[in-house]
Amino acid sequence: DSGVTQTPKHLITATGQRVTLRCSPRSGDLSVYWYQQSLDQGLQFLIQYYNGEERAKGNILERFSAQQFPDLHSELNLSSLELGDSALYFCASSVFSGGAETQYFGPGTRLLVL
Amino acid sequence: GNSVTQMEGPVTLSEEAFLTINCTYTATGYPSLFWYVQYPGEGLQLLLKATKADDKGSNKGFEATYRKETTSFHLEKGSVQVSDSAVYFCALRQNTGNQFYFGTGTSLTVIP
Repeated sequence: DSGVTQTPKHLITATGQRVTLRCSPRSGDLSVYWYQQSLDQGLQFLIQYYNGEERAKGNILERFSAQQFPDLHSELNLSSLELGDSALYFCASSVFSGGAETQYFGPGTRLLVL
Repeated sequence: GNSVTQMEGPVTLSEEAFLTINCTYTATGYPSLFWYVQYPGEGLQLLLKATKADDKGSNKGFEATYRKETTSFHLEKGSVQVSDSAVYFCALRQNTGNQFYFGTGTSLTVIP
């Protein structure tokens, strides 16, 4: 158990809908990363937040947005969903240890868009 | 730019065989290097890491050495077990910037 929690574990929805994925980082970790993992594109970095502020942006679509709240949990919002958005979505929190920033991943949310 | 290249899978080995999964990287300066493992239906777990040249990361019988001269961080294990069946990801993080870069993953299946 990494200490990072994600809800829900599974989500089935229809095209055009909007969903919210939730992530709670490990206690004390200020940084949260979001990733999308699909069969054809591997693990894609979406966005990073640090202590409530956006730090880095990767391959995140304009239909997707995220935020990090004062209690440090984060939400990833996916709107106008398309079939191609079906994937595993992971969040990770990170800490500096042993001279490196190390990420700890949650179990993921499996999204299926029908 | 920064990138990580892993050997293509899938890899199938018999129990107790020697494992090598190749990983090379492109980066400026001295990134930190990582191996993560993903078991079926689970998230990625940190397996080992190395933060500077010639460092050797090790965990659960797996090892990888940070080779600056060949820009490589190959994962090795002397004797694999069925329980090692998983997908292995090599990753790097630059010391400047906030992004991690992951390889595409190498699927390993160990058969009894």
